[in-house]
Amino acid sequence: EAGVTQSPTHLIKTRGQQATLRCSPISGHTSVYWYQQALGLGLQFLLWYDEGEERNRGNFPPRFSGRQFPNYSSELNVNALELEDSALYLCASSWDRRNYGYTFGSGTRLTVV
Amino acid sequence: AQSVTQLDSHVSVSEGTPVLLRCNYSSSYSPSLFWYVQHPNKGLQLLLKYTSAATLVKGINGFEAEFKKSETSFHLTKPSAHMSDAAEYFCVVSPSGGYQKVTFGIGTKLQVIP
Repeated sequence: EAGVTQSPTHLIKTRGQQATLRCSPISGHTSVYWYQQALGLGLQFLLWYDEGEERNRGNFPPRFSGRQFPNYSSELNVNALELEDSALYLCASSWDRRNYGYTFGSGTRLTVV
Repeated sequence: AQSVTQLDSHVSVSEGTPVLLRCNYSSSYSPSLFWYVQHPNKGLQLLLKYTSAATLVKGINGFEAEFKKSETSFHLTKPSAHMSDAAEYFCVVSPSGGYQKVTFGIGTKLQVIP
C-alpha cells in the first residue's frame, strides 16, 4: 500500500512569493490534515479537510489556505511568504473523522529566503 | 478543552537499558491517545494507539504504553533501548469522535548512548 505522498520534498521561495504544497492520502482515506513543524515550536495544526470540506483550522493567518479535491488529495497554499514560514510541512491522512490514528507523509521542507 | 504534556524534552539512556518517556494529558472527552516517532528529516510514524480497549497497548519495535485514567498518564516504555530508537517522540491526544482536532505534545528527544 502506498503511503501518504507529499510534493515537493524541498521548496525554496523568496519572501512575498506564494508556495503550493501537495499531498496525496492513502487510498481510501478521506481526511487530510496539515501541520507546520517549525524549529523550536513543535507541531502546529494548520488545516483539516474531510470529504472535500474544511472541517477545522488552526491559529494561522488567512494567507494559509488550502483545498481538498474530489480524489481526496489536498493542496496547501501559503501566500505572501514570510521568513518565519520556513518549516517542515507535514500532511497526514486518516480513513475517517474519528481520529483513530493518522498516517503521515515525509513532509515538504519550505525555506523562505 | 484538551492538552498534553510531555514531561521531558530530552531523555538519554544507554543502549540495552529501559526507556521511559512520560506523557500526561487532560481531556473533557473520553480520549484516544497515540505515540508517534520522528526520525531526523522524516515524517511521523505511528508507534501505538489507545482507543478505549485494553489499557496496556503494545506497539511496533517493542514499545508499549499504559493508559492510566486515575493518573491521566500514557507513558511510553521499552525494556531495552536500541541505537535505532534515537529519535523524537510525540504524545498525542484526540477526543473520540466529532470534528475536534488532535493535540500534539512538544516532543521528547531520545538519545541512546552506545
